[in-house]
Amino acid sequence: AQTVTQSQPEMSVQEAETVTLSCTYDTSESDYYLFWYKQPPSRQMILVIRQEAYKQQNATENRFSVNFQKAAKSFSLKISDSQLGDAAMYFCAYRGLIQGAQKLVFGQGTRLTINP
Amino acid sequence: NAGVTQTPKFQVLKTGQSMTLQCAQDMNHEYMSWYRQDPGMGLRLIHYSVGAGITDQGEVPNGYNVSRSTTEDFPLRLLSAAPSQTSVYFCASSRGQGAGIKTGELFFGEGSRLTVL
Repeated sequence: AQTVTQSQPEMSVQEAETVTLSCTYDTSESDYYLFWYKQPPSRQMILVIRQEAYKQQNATENRFSVNFQKAAKSFSLKISDSQLGDAAMYFCAYRGLIQGAQKLVFGQGTRLTINP
Repeated sequence: NAGVTQTPKFQVLKTGQSMTLQCAQDMNHEYMSWYRQDPGMGLRLIHYSVGAGITDQGEVPNGYNVSRSTTEDFPLRLLSAAPSQTSVYFCASSRGQGAGIKTGELFFGEGSRLTVL
């Protein structure tokens, strides 16, 4: 079964510093997609970054980048130059073929606090 | 620029009451889904649909019904609400099979907070 695990329920970082959020997943598929979603207090789910499993190059979106280790089934998110607006819940998600259908499975989430 | 619209945003029910959470999208997305969000458990898939007339169960379908009579709408029905269904519910959609599914991104509604007393 496909599962996604975020082992850090909470993280905190000083403003302008760098923080890394961890995510591991379990799958027997070779073609899938991984995502990080951000959920601020407004409750809205916002896509931060995506990674396609067949691409070896790590995805980058401005201050956000990932470290995708396919063999280790690890997908961490690095936030550089942390800003107060980065404070939110962050969810790692896996999308692929699960029991014959495309589904998106989420981790438990990591609450990120930015200290001014 | 509506995207995915969920109603209502808040609802309080008594045990045994029924209600429907509405979800509509204006992006012509084939794929639609419902998730519930509970503390410490992330988002769990309730039901999903890959197109009009086609629905299937997700991880936690018990106590919920869905239908998909049009591409735009995907309502979630609670036939007899229970306190265990107290949660925040999200509707999400994406392009369907083919090129669109490869981006994988789901577009989410703003969520509906349901409390069952």
